Amino acid sequence: GQQVMQIPQYQHVQEGEDFTTYCNSSTTLSNIQWYKQRPGGHPVFLIQLVKSGEVKKQKRLTFQFGEAKKNSSLHITATQTTDVGTYFCAGLGVSRGTSYDKVIFGPGTSLSVIP
Amino acid sequence: KAGVTQTPRYLIKTRGQQVTLSCSPISGHRSVSWYQQTPGQGLQFLFEYFSETQRNKGNFPGRFSGRQFSNSRSEMNVSTLELGDSALYLCASSFSSGRMNTEAFFGQGTRLTVV
Repeated sequence: GQQVMQIPQYQHVQEGEDFTTYCNSSTTLSNIQWYKQRPGGHPVFLIQLVKSGEVKKQKRLTFQFGEAKKNSSLHITATQTTDVGTYFCAGLGVSRGTSYDKVIFGPGTSLSVIP
Repeated sequence: KAGVTQTPRYLIKTRGQQVTLSCSPISGHRSVSWYQQTPGQGLQFLFEYFSETQRNKGNFPGRFSGRQFSNSRSEMNVSTLELGDSALYLCASSFSSGRMNTEAFFGQGTRLTVV
């Protein structure tokens, strides 16, 4: 079945350093979403990418969707303590036969920022 | 508008008992998905309902079941509880599903502890 993997699992950075998390799917995706979960909180939607090679920016966050629509990345420039949390990618699988597409979450990358 | 509401927030049950969790989606949202979150396993997909129909199901035993009502509210039931069922159960609602899927809004979750 479809699998979505993320690396690294954990990342500790000094405040001001950059951070990147990578998301890889075993199958082609219709789209990919990114979520952030603060410690003790629930996942909150960040962005959705649909087109092959798409790049979107949100202030210090840059999201990319691979040309083959099987991988994605989230890059944070100059991390701040407010960036602490777990970042999940969620891929929507391409429909096969009569099965409905379903969203599969990656295991997440937990980011710690040292002030 | 009101967010996704999950009740109860916390629950302690004994092995062998059963439990029912409730999720009220955002008004107008017809898709409700359930996830189990544990520290070592990330977000595991349980099932998705859309307009009272189960569209997708994850790889969980038959002890886990769910349903959706005509007002889009959803319940999930776990029978014959096991210690390993202790987890945070998250519900997410979205306006649409499948190829037209939009961002998912998560509830605060129900923290289930099985003793």
